[in-house]
Amino acid sequence: DIQMTQSPSSVSASVGDRVTITCRASRDIRSYLAWYQKKPGEAPKLLISSASTLQSGVPSRFSGSGSGTDFTLTISSLQPEDFATYYCQQADSFPFTFGPGTKVDIK
Amino acid sequence: QLQLQESGPGLMKPSETLSLTCNVSGDSIINRNYFWGWIRQPLGKGLEWVGSMYYSGNTYSNPPLRSRVTISVDTSKNQLSLKLSSVTAADTAVYYCARGSRWEVSTIRGAFDVWGQGTLVTVSS
Repeated sequence: DIQMTQSPSSVSASVGDRVTITCRASRDIRSYLAWYQKKPGEAPKLLISSASTLQSGVPSRFSGSGSGTDFTLTISSLQPEDFATYYCQQADSFPFTFGPGTKVDIK
Repeated sequence: QLQLQESGPGLMKPSETLSLTCNVSGDSIINRNYFWGWIRQPLGKGLEWVGSMYYSGNTYSNPPLRSRVTISVDTSKNQLSLKLSSVTAADTAVYYCARGSRWEVSTIRGAFDVWGQGTLVTVSS
């Protein structure tokens, strides 16, 4: 199985801050990576697919980059509605695996 | 607009078989550009892929669950189903059904772009 790790596990930030979350795969997954936003009581929301493709309707302050084993999700200017937990997921091979999540909370 | 709605028993006892259905509205469940999946989240924990089903009829599930999981589609009802046998407290979670959009034709690769609201399943004696 491909193991996914994320860092940091949590980050405290203020509105307007730039936040960067890193996701690492245990082996090369090319660009087969997705990022999701999860808020308590809500379904996960797909933000980015294929490592860097922004989903329709997702604000442009979100961006994704990387390939191979190292990936990054960046929020350029954190907004109040962005406080949530973020998960990466590899879709290169079965079983699909998620990272453990990065919680972004208010400083 | 595609909408997914899970339904299930809520509370179960250990050793029973969990049966969940996901009603798909707004589009046909038969579409080669998409696949369907179940993902769960134990309370306070992260997301876990349970399994997926493809247009071909092929299903894939997470190895630790494979012997207990059955995923199927009822095209007449436009429904996705999940059966998980011999449940234990470790299966207590919010279960989501989701549509996956394929990144490449005729591959398994894609991301889950539409999700149901989720249904909580609690296993307790």
